[in-house]
Amino acid sequence: GAGVSQSPRYKVAKRGQDVALRCDPISGHVSLFWYQQALGQGPEFLTYFQNEAQLDKSGLPSDRFFAERPEGSVSTLKIQRTQQEDSAVYLCASSSRGLDFAGANVLTFGAGSRLTVL
Amino acid sequence: GNSVTQMEGPVTLSEEAFLTINCTYTATGYPSLFWYVQYPGEGLQLLLKATKADDKGSNKGFEATYRKETTSFHLEKGSVQVSDSAVYFCALRYSGGYQKVTFGTGTKLQVIP
Repeated sequence: GAGVSQSPRYKVAKRGQDVALRCDPISGHVSLFWYQQALGQGPEFLTYFQNEAQLDKSGLPSDRFFAERPEGSVSTLKIQRTQQEDSAVYLCASSSRGLDFAGANVLTFGAGSRLTVL
Repeated sequence: GNSVTQMEGPVTLSEEAFLTINCTYTATGYPSLFWYVQYPGEGLQLLLKATKADDKGSNKGFEATYRKETTSFHLEKGSVQVSDSAVYFCALRYSGGYQKVTFGTGTKLQVIP
């Protein structure tokens, strides 16, 4: 597609529910990132994929968070047994460059999925 | 570790005023530096970038110069417009070949007519 598409844009979940957030990156983009943005804060790195391989998941806050990109395109971020502290905007970004690119790689972001846990 | 520190907002300016948003960084090596902008209801988008010391990034009247001696990348614009109202994020990418981008906390700019 022309841009990075995320769905749903807004999600309200009751505490303890599982949620799944979808990211559809720009077609052909090798790299895909998930970031978490709390209210009034900057984006915080969660995880990184190069094609279908999850090369870094060091930012995932707990084992309740799980991400996948099985065919190297669409990615899903799943949060199990949601807690109130999970409330945030979840941003997906993609880029055309892979791990070996050392230059000023530019990320293209989606509009985000705003999760509110009650 | 790598980090970015931005001046806190919100910043409120009148139209046509001069804008400066301060950004300093700590990083090992020689990172690439970025400013991203987030307009209301939209995703972050790249505003400008610089890849080495003394480089000046510019776009839409905004400028920022990569100052290695002061580890800074301050954003400036000579005459702001109402349409510039947004949240501005300073960011860096470690030059070690891995693409992880680290963001500052953001500075909200409000321009009033």
